[in-house]
Amino acid sequence: AQKVTQAQTEISVVEKEDVTLDCVYETRDTTYYLFWYKQPPSGELVFLIRRNSFDEQNEISGRYSWNFQKSTSSFNFTITASQVVDSAVYFCALSVFSGNTPLVFGKGTRLSVIA
Amino acid sequence: ETGVTQTPRHLVMGMTNKKSLKCEQHLGHNAMYWYKQSAKKPLELMFVYSLEERVENNSVPSRFSPECPNSSHLFLHLHTLQPEDSALYLCASSQDPQGTNEKLFFGSGTQLSVL
Repeated sequence: AQKVTQAQTEISVVEKEDVTLDCVYETRDTTYYLFWYKQPPSGELVFLIRRNSFDEQNEISGRYSWNFQKSTSSFNFTITASQVVDSAVYFCALSVFSGNTPLVFGKGTRLSVIA
Repeated sequence: ETGVTQTPRHLVMGMTNKKSLKCEQHLGHNAMYWYKQSAKKPLELMFVYSLEERVENNSVPSRFSPECPNSSHLFLHLHTLQPEDSALYLCASSQDPQGTNEKLFFGSGTQLSVL
């Protein structure tokens, strides 16, 4: 069975600080996809990134970066120079390639960026 | 704006009422989903429709009844709900009818309160 753990329930940082959101996953499948979604106060989840299990290259997109490490089954998300608009709940999710298994979400991390 | 619209945004109902949630996607996608988001729990997949046919029903109580009349519209009919059904109900869509590894586009959700 698949599982995603986001151990940090809530994080508060001051604007311009860097912050890392942790995500640890469990699966026995060798082919899988990892996702991050952002849920702002308006409610809709917004897709941020998808990585497949064969691509361990870290990715950077503006102030966002992702560190995928298969050795520790982690897919951590770092926001550099955080801004108030980054305040949201962030979800990590996992899907496996085999069968028709639905996306499994973690419980989310609520990030508050204080001006 | 994700291209997925949900109505109403908020709904309060008694346990004996019957109501419906509506979702419409303007993206030309082939798969649509209902998720339930309760406080301090991971997102729970309720139903998946692929090319207008139900392909997933995650042991959801019969008091929740989905309907997908075409690929752009999805409904969730509610009757004789319980207070523990109070939650944010999110609709999502994806391009691929097999959808499990696809990026999902979410609506803003309907915040449901059952009294």
